[in-house]
Amino acid sequence: GESVGLHLPTLSVQEGDNSIINCAYSNSASDYFIWYKQESGKGPQFIIDIRSNMDKRQGQRVTVLLNKTVKHLSLQIAATQPGDSAVYFCAEKPMNYGGSQGNLIFGKGTKLSVKP
Amino acid sequence: GAGVSQSPRYKVAKRGQDVALRCDPISGHVSLFWYQQALGQGPEFLTYFQNEAQLDKSGLPSDRFFAERPEGSVSTLKIQRTQQEDSAVYLCASSLMGQSSTDTQYFGPGTRLTVL
Repeated sequence: GESVGLHLPTLSVQEGDNSIINCAYSNSASDYFIWYKQESGKGPQFIIDIRSNMDKRQGQRVTVLLNKTVKHLSLQIAATQPGDSAVYFCAEKPMNYGGSQGNLIFGKGTKLSVKP
Repeated sequence: GAGVSQSPRYKVAKRGQDVALRCDPISGHVSLFWYQQALGQGPEFLTYFQNEAQLDKSGLPSDRFFAERPEGSVSTLKIQRTQQEDSAVYLCASSLMGQSSTDTQYFGPGTRLTVL
């Protein structure tokens, strides 16, 4: 079936650098995309979302970019901090997928490691 | 306020035993989702409730899996005759509105199930 995937399974950055985590999606019917952060032993935590009618959205230190032409999503974290170390998942909510319009489809995740 | 809570946090079962996993969603949240997360993977959708109605159970892997939300609040995921491949983290998420919205899904910490 269609799924969300990631280009890089692991990413190691120096504290203070900017991080970019990429994600490719295959369901062109999806109209809502979300980035989640998951720390060890915890559930996914919402970071930022974007709808398909936008190509960029900014939050506090984070920016999500959406390129619908190539079905690509990215998460940019500015001035990465040790507390940002976690696994990051992109997720999509496709419309009319399998009869459900509610569930999220997650990628495999990228592990971000921040060196102090 | 209180987030989504799940209990137990850890469960060890012998193969063939039945288990019940509980989810307490955020008060007032209409939608409730169950996901299964295998080690090193992203969460995968199991089932979805809108209030007490189970609107989508397409992700349940077999008829050994059963979920209920009888009063539209607390939900229980039951797995009968557990097998080793059922070992995973079971995540519960809730959102304020119904299925067609872009409401944020808030996740609980998960229950880690290990089947020996």
